[in-house]
Amino acid sequence: AQSVTQPDIHITVSEGASLELRCNYSYGATPYLFWYVQSPGQGLQLLLKYFSGDTLVQGIKGFEAEFKRSQSSFNLRKPSVHWSDAAEYFCAVGGLYTDKLIFGTGTRLQVFP
Amino acid sequence: GAGVSQSPSNKVTEKGKDVELRCDPISGHTALYWYRQRLGQGLEFLIYFQGNSAPDKSGLPSDRFSAERTGESVSTLTIQRTQQEDSAVYLCASSLERTGSEAFFGQGTRLTVV
Repeated sequence: AQSVTQPDIHITVSEGASLELRCNYSYGATPYLFWYVQSPGQGLQLLLKYFSGDTLVQGIKGFEAEFKRSQSSFNLRKPSVHWSDAAEYFCAVGGLYTDKLIFGTGTRLQVFP
Repeated sequence: GAGVSQSPSNKVTEKGKDVELRCDPISGHTALYWYRQRLGQGLEFLIYFQGNSAPDKSGLPSDRFSAERTGESVSTLTIQRTQQEDSAVYLCASSLERTGSEAFFGQGTRLTVV
């Protein structure tokens, strides 16, 4: 069955520190993988996506993610976090043979000055 | 329109009443999704439309929930005999096709059942 696990419910980092948000997926074929961000009171915005090709994908706002098939992971990273990055981050999995985008439970990021 | 539009943005209803939530997708987007987000939870898939057909209704939590789409455009999610556990933010998203393309989300409808 198609599923996504985000093991970290809440992460706190200092501004300027590096960030890694974990995402593990389960899908029987080649996955399409997405990271979305939801700022307070806002809708979801796509940060980046992976379909095929280069396993390191670059997104908006300085974020990147690496697809590791052997680990069924698609972790999101940023080298230096800004206070405006405080938000909820969702990982999602879809694919060529599915009509669904399945989301994880999200990771809430807090950034301290 | 420029983006996915949902109405109303907020809805408070009494337990047992029926509610209708509306989604206007981006023009030309053939795929439309409904999700539910309970407080502090992830996004729970409800239903997916391709055109006016719903090939996947597996996420609808009970027969009190139904949805339709007309003109390959507007979709309505109806909840009959609302219960307190239905309180959540209901999010609609649309995309050009199936999950191969980016899904654009609306701002959601916050439903509170009292």
